[in-house]
Amino acid sequence: GAGVSQSPRYKVAKRGQDVALRCDPISGHVSLFWYQQALGQGPEFLTYFQNEAQLDKSGLPSDRFFAERPEGSVSTLKIQRTQQEDSAVYLCASSLGRTGGYNEQFFGPGTRLTVL
Amino acid sequence: AQRVTQPEKLLSVFKGAPVELKCNYSYSGSPELFWYVQYSRQRLQLLLRHISRESIKGFTADLNKGETSFHLKKPFAQEEDSAMYYCALSGRGGGFKTIFGAGTRLFVKA
Repeated sequence: GAGVSQSPRYKVAKRGQDVALRCDPISGHVSLFWYQQALGQGPEFLTYFQNEAQLDKSGLPSDRFFAERPEGSVSTLKIQRTQQEDSAVYLCASSLGRTGGYNEQFFGPGTRLTVL
Repeated sequence: AQRVTQPEKLLSVFKGAPVELKCNYSYSGSPELFWYVQYSRQRLQLLLRHISRESIKGFTADLNKGETSFHLKKPFAQEEDSAMYYCALSGRGGGFKTIFGAGTRLFVKA
């Protein structure tokens, strides 16, 4: 079966550009997470959706970061006016249940964002 | 503060030797603990979780609430165990956030 997919796999942006990263979760998965992974670090929580509701956005580093999941399936992470410190791998994960990170998460391959 | 600490960035052992990857956590409440693994050119995936109390690929992990640790162990390492291992925690009460450690790279030498 299809796993979590993310696009694009690689994105190079000039400082100040806006970018949009897409995540297609496993069909039927209620929970969706976004993480930021800097080089040599573990994934860092950004935000969590339960269906279309964004229940936790405490990890978004600034108001330049915005995430949505309007129909409860595909999600988009948007970064406005990108900065060099935004360079990282952005991971998306989904899980079947409604209890957030308490359930097994299935990860996508990630989008590697490089801001020049 | 919620925190997961993996003190070793790199752990190198010979094939057949025992291996222990350390994980300590800080959490106010009762967390659920996980080990996730990322093999070369593959996605991050769940290896095991505390609540399941399973042995996966010969690995086990015991939750020690007194020492706030969840170390991952395997008695005889195999070359195919070489990978990046991440310890993670989530709130048992259904907390949405998952906190990951920085990871330990395990290298099993022939």
